[in-house]
Order: sequence, then structure tokens, then C-alpha cells
Amino acid sequence: DTGVSQNPRHKITKRGQNVTFRCDPISEHNRLYWYRQTLGQGPEFLTYFQNEAQLEKSRLLSDRFSAERPKGSFSTLEIQRTEQGDSAMYLCASSLSRDGGYTFGSGTRLTVV
Amino acid sequence: AQTVTQSQPEMSVQEAETVTLSCTYDTSESDYYLFWYKQPPSRQMILVIRQEAYKQQNATENRFSVNFQKAAKSFSLKISDSQLGDAAMYFCAYRNTQGGSEKLVFGKGTKLTVNP
Repeated sequence: DTGVSQNPRHKITKRGQNVTFRCDPISEHNRLYWYRQTLGQGPEFLTYFQNEAQLEKSRLLSDRFSAERPKGSFSTLEIQRTEQGDSAMYLCASSLSRDGGYTFGSGTRLTVV
Repeated sequence: AQTVTQSQPEMSVQEAETVTLSCTYDTSESDYYLFWYKQPPSRQMILVIRQEAYKQQNATENRFSVNFQKAAKSFSLKISDSQLGDAAMYFCAYRNTQGGSEKLVFGKGTKLTVNP
């Protein structure tokens, strides 16, 4: 069990560029979640997968955001046409069941300049 | 919609002392989960303790315990014998047990400083 892995750890991009983040969950976990955390705030829910199916999306997830989890393993989160307001820590978490707590990754810190 | 409020942006405690972090929440559901997560500086978020609303007994994990007051919608975290490694942001979180949503709703967090 190597935990939840997120890459890259840091990403600096220019406004208007597209970025993609990757999350590798704990291998036996079928549930995968994406959250966004801005400075001084708690994490905010973005989206949730059970296996390869995206079952829930927040209204925070605008049309510029898309997430995938092909084959129910790793997941990617893409942000198109980045804006300065997208600067945040993007957290991925996974879990084995609805009842348990999540295991979080270390996050990807995005800075849009 | 459910909300979680942590009214203490910052708290400090002396090493070996006890500290209590406050959390209140708002929901119309009768059954749900409550969590406390710890986020050390530049490190990943870790689950500290979990409480199921239908269980009246307060959860305990070693030096960490909760005071769950369902009627008051209060869920405080007590840290006993505080250690330097307890210094972190602490987030209270809520999740429904029913329905399709599995999202966690977090409070804004409390920054805990442990003084030697």
C-alpha cells in the first residue's frame, strides 16, 4: 500500500493554458474523489467516481473542468483555459467503502500567473 | 444544504496539556458521519477520528476523543497530553449516510499550535 499518489506536486501555468493532474488511488479502493482547497479554507468537493463511473459533480466544476477515471484505476483532472481563480491545491482521495474515511493524497498545488 | 462551522481560526496549547477544538454543523438528516481530519504543514490530510450519528457513545482514538452532542449539532475534538507533532490544521467534516451523495462538507479549519 503506497497510499494515494498525486502528480505533479506543483504546477505553475500561464493564464489561458490547459493543465492536467493525475491521481493514483490505493489499488483496492473503488471510490475516488477530487477536492479543491484554497488558502484559509477547507477542501471543497469537486467530483466523485465509483470505479470508472463519475457519479457526482459539484456545481463548482465548471465546463472548463473535466475529470476521468478510465478502467477504474487512476484519474485525471483537466482544467482548460486556466484563470487566476483556479489557483488552489487540488486534492485527490480514495476509499474502499461509503462508510469509511478517505485516504488523501498530498495534493497538486496549481498557480496560475 | 449541510454546513460545518469551526468558530476558532486558531488555538494554542502547551505541550502535555489538553485542548478542545469546536465544531458545529447544520443538517436536517438524522443519520450521518462526522470526521476530524488533521493537515500538517505541507503534508497530506489524515483522518483523526470518525463518529456515526446513530451511535450515542463518543468515539475515542488514543489521545483523541470527541464530544458529540446530536441535539445541539456539536462535535468537538479533545486532544489530551498534546504533543509537538499535533501541531496542524484540523478540519471538521460531515457526510450523509443516505442518498447518493458521498461528498464531505468541511469547515474552514482550526490552526493548532503546540508550545514546548
